[in-house]
Amino acid sequence: TQLLEQSPQFLSIQEGENLTVYCNSSSVFSSLQWYRQEPGEGPVLLVTVVTGGEVKKLKRLTFQFGDARKDSSLHITAAQPGDTGLYLCAGGSNDYKLSFGAGTTVTVRA
Amino acid sequence: SAVISQKPSRDICQRGTSLTIQCQVDSQVTMMFWYRQQPGQSLTLIATANQGSEATYESGFVIDKFPISRPNLTFSTLTVSNMSPEDSSIYLCSVEVASTDTQYFGPGTRLTVL
Repeated sequence: TQLLEQSPQFLSIQEGENLTVYCNSSSVFSSLQWYRQEPGEGPVLLVTVVTGGEVKKLKRLTFQFGDARKDSSLHITAAQPGDTGLYLCAGGSNDYKLSFGAGTTVTVRA
Repeated sequence: SAVISQKPSRDICQRGTSLTIQCQVDSQVTMMFWYRQQPGQSLTLIATANQGSEATYESGFVIDKFPISRPNLTFSTLTVSNMSPEDSSIYLCSVEVASTDTQYFGPGTRLTVL
């Protein structure tokens, strides 16, 4: 089993502040996915990164895949209450299985 | 992407009974997966549902407890057998979309066992 460690476990910030969530592993992954899950719903895909060093931006969200494809970060600029949720990173392998991190619960206070 | 539906969305069941969860995809996909998400925790892979052959189970999960069917490329079922309160979880199906290195998830089935 390939282990992914996410940090922090919980994050509570004020609207307008920035935040960063980290996802680290000692294993190399073929891809890295970030999901957001809200209570009572399934995880919703935010992004997939596949190339070491890759940076993807989606509006206020910036995703980075480490050069060695072992780690990733998610940065949110000017967070809004709608960004509240459980953020999950998942590492992909050649057998198409995903290994999930424990998740980061983000709360953005209005 | 793929649009995935699950039935039921939630259920409350008695100890010792079984529940079958359905997963329907709007397009043909090769890889389908079943996950469990226990309260306050992340996702754990139960098994890979293979079309035309038996499912492949992860360590700690067995076919007698979680039988899976995959009759075609758009549909799968997961049965939770002889349930106990410890089986109370959210059960999620996902699909791998070819050539995208990405899985898409259904909305989940919230199961409570009394």
